Amino acid sequence: AQSVTQLGSHVSVSEGALVLLRCNYSSSVPPYLFWYVQYPNQGLQLLLKYTTGATLVKGINGFEAEFKKSETSFHLTKPSAHMSDAAEYFCAVSDPRLNGNKLVFGAGTILRVKS
Amino acid sequence: ETGVTQSPTHLIKTRGQQVTLRCSSQSGHNTVSWYQQALGQGPQFIFQYYREEENGRGNFPPRFSGLQFPNYSSELNVNALELDDSALYLCASSLSSGGSGELFFGEGSRLTVL
Repeated sequence: AQSVTQLGSHVSVSEGALVLLRCNYSSSVPPYLFWYVQYPNQGLQLLLKYTTGATLVKGINGFEAEFKKSETSFHLTKPSAHMSDAAEYFCAVSDPRLNGNKLVFGAGTILRVKS
Repeated sequence: ETGVTQSPTHLIKTRGQQVTLRCSSQSGHNTVSWYQQALGQGPQFIFQYYREEENGRGNFPPRFSGLQFPNYSSELNVNALELDDSALYLCASSLSSGGSGELFFGEGSRLTVL
């Protein structure tokens, strides 16, 4: 079975500071990995995904994530936080052999950006 | 291009009742997935529908059932509601059933069971 652990249910950064949201996964096969963002009272929006190929993945709004197989990690980063980045972020994994659309999500990390 | 729309946005039911939630998929998408997001948790996969057939199911009891219609819209039905069914129910559409996980989510239907 696959699982996702997001370290830190709440992360607070100052505007302009580095954003680092941590995600570790468990999977018996090479997984697909995702980061989704959820703004208040909205559905989830895909930030970026890793399927195959280059391990450093760039997404929308200046976010990127690196797939590190040896560490079973897929941490999300952004060099400079903006107030509009305040939201809840979910890391997710899927098994491409079965159903790539069946996502297993972590519990989420709420990002707060201080002015 | 219209996005994923869900109805109703909020509803309140009592234990034992039944509920139907509706979802219209994004234009051109033939696959619909449903997720349950309890308060403070990540979404959990309920099931997926492709070509009007259930195509994958998560760890949810049979009282959670669904339908997909020829226009790819979908319904989620929950019978014999329990207090723990209180959650945000998210519908997501995608281009194909065995896709790469790029799902387009609606804003959800928030169900409260009293």
